Amino acid sequence: QLHLQESGPGLVKPSETLSLTCTVSGGSVSNSNYYWGWIRQPPGKGLEWIGSIYYTGSTYYNPPLKSRVTISVDTSKNQLSLKVTSVTAADTAVYYCARLEKKFIGSSVDVFEMWGRGTMVTVSS
Amino acid sequence: DIQMTQSPSSLSASVGDRVTITCRTSQHIRNYLNWYQQKPGKAPKLLIYGASTLQSGVPTRFSGSGSGTDFALTINSLQPEDFATYYCQQSYSTLTFGPGTTVDIK
Repeated sequence: QLHLQESGPGLVKPSETLSLTCTVSGGSVSNSNYYWGWIRQPPGKGLEWIGSIYYTGSTYYNPPLKSRVTISVDTSKNQLSLKVTSVTAADTAVYYCARLEKKFIGSSVDVFEMWGRGTMVTVSS
Repeated sequence: DIQMTQSPSSLSASVGDRVTITCRTSQHIRNYLNWYQQKPGKAPKLLIYGASTLQSGVPTRFSGSGSGTDFALTINSLQPEDFATYYCQQSYSTLTFGPGTTVDIK
């Protein structure tokens, strides 16, 4: 059974860098059938896709965040990571990692099929 | 960018009711539309993908329809465990989620 676990500091100071890790168990980040992604949700608000990565290291970022975000994958540790630089209070959110699958229904539809439980990150001095 | 709207933003319903939530996109996205359910304090759960295909293990009272710019999620005979927030998500271009619809108990 696939399990994704986010970890990292729960409190980050403004202007600093937010760093999170997602540890994958019960499956491999090197599985060529899947991508992996990060999604965040500010308190009481909706979901925002941050970016996705393939095990080869190919990355795709949400344009508004692209200049501040780096997603990487460590196949030896079966982990993916997220870094967000120059954070502000607007980056306060629950951060989820998820497995992204391409479902074929004649064409390919990207779905977040499996999710971690999420980790709350607060940006505050 | 593709803008997404959902209506209503919230609704109150009773167990056994039939509920329909709509999702509209600012551009045609064929059937690149998925639906998720989220309960408080939990991660979202995939319900429907490709506008109308039920994810494995999801009860058949959930159904999806639509294509192009207008989509709907219908829950037939609402159950107590269905009270939650529902999000649509498009994968035609930059992945985007709708603002959500909260279904609560009347």
